[in-house]
Order: sequence, then C-alpha cells, then structure tokens
Amino acid sequence: GAGVSQSPSNKVTEKGKDVELRCDPISGHTALYWYRQRLGQGLEFLIYFQGNSAPDKSGLPSDRFSAERTGESVSTLTIQRTQQEDSAVYLCASSLGAAYYEQYFGPGTRLTVT
Amino acid sequence: QKEVEQNSGPLSVPEGAIASLNCTYSDRGSQSFFWYRQYSGKSPELIMFIYSNGDKEDGRFTAQLNKASQYVSLLIRDSQPSDSATYLCAVRLEAGNMLTFGGGTRLMVKP
Repeated sequence: GAGVSQSPSNKVTEKGKDVELRCDPISGHTALYWYRQRLGQGLEFLIYFQGNSAPDKSGLPSDRFSAERTGESVSTLTIQRTQQEDSAVYLCASSLGAAYYEQYFGPGTRLTVT
Repeated sequence: QKEVEQNSGPLSVPEGAIASLNCTYSDRGSQSFFWYRQYSGKSPELIMFIYSNGDKEDGRFTAQLNKASQYVSLLIRDSQPSDSATYLCAVRLEAGNMLTFGGGTRLMVKP
C-alpha cells in the first residue's frame, strides 16, 4: 500500500518568504506528526494531530510556524517569514493511533532558506 | 542535559562482528523505546521497539532495556556493510505521544 507522502521534496526559498509543506498520511492513520531534522542532528518534534482532538503544538519553535489538518487526511505545515535557521528536512509521520503504535515516516521535504 | 543521548560516532566495526549501540535517557517517565535506522538522505525506518526491561530479539537485532539505569541499547549481530547507517534512539513518555529522539550514532561496517 501507499506510504506517507510529502511534497515538495525540495524547496528553496528566500529569507522572509512564506512556505507551505504538505503531508499525505497513510490511509486510515488517525495520528499525524511533524518533525524537523537539521543537518547531522536528531529529529525535533514540532506538532501532533490525533483525530479531531486539539493538536499538540508544544514543539513549534515560534509563532511563525503553524500547521493544519482536515479530519484524518492531509496536513500542511506553514512557515511564515522564513529565516536561515529554518533550513532543515521536515519529516511527517503517521500512525494508526496515539500511544503504542509505530510511526511511519514520509521521505521529507528539504527546505533551504537563502 | 539532553533528554536522549547517543554517542555520535562514527562507530566502526568489521563485517561479521557485533555492533553495540547505546542510548541513555533522562526522563524516568519514559515508557517505550524505539530504534530507527536512517540511511543518508533517507527518512527513518523503525527497526525495533521495546517496552519491558530485558532483551528483545528480532533476527540479527537485539534491543536491551534497563529502566533502573535509564539505558537502552541495540546489538546487531553478524554486521553487514548494508547496516552502515545512522541509528536513532527515540523514547516516548507515558503521557505523551510524540517521540523524543537522540542525535543518532553513525555506524560504519567495513568489508
């Protein structure tokens, strides 16, 4: 079956511009996560969606970052007024449910802010 | 202090040897523990997870958990060059759902 997909795979943007990253989770997966991975680093949690519950936004680094998810489908991560320190790979993962379920990762979006 | 710590490596082992990867965590509320493998330029893929103290074996991989010492490890037996990758340790708190990742250990298996 289809895995988690993300688009675009690469994005180069100028400092100060807004960007929107998209994630399509595995069909039937109610939980969706966004992580960020800077070069040579581990993954940093950004935001978590579970069904129709209020998202856990505790990992968002600033108010320039926001994310939405419609029901149990597509999610978009928006970064406003991008800064060079936002350059990273943004990874989306989905799982069947909340705790105790394996998270499956998408291929990521590599964001470069020039 | 980082919540999940790993030696960044590289850890170099000869083909056929046992590779031992280690991870410590700071939050005693951590309930589940995961090992992911990440090839260069690729997304992480789950190798194993463990919840209970002791060992859990899956093929050439063994995960070991010691909650009293806040320590989790991954052993790879009969290491192959294809095992060369970065191995990420991740933990999940009892009340949380997100994973907290370590920085990863780069493993190099030399033919």
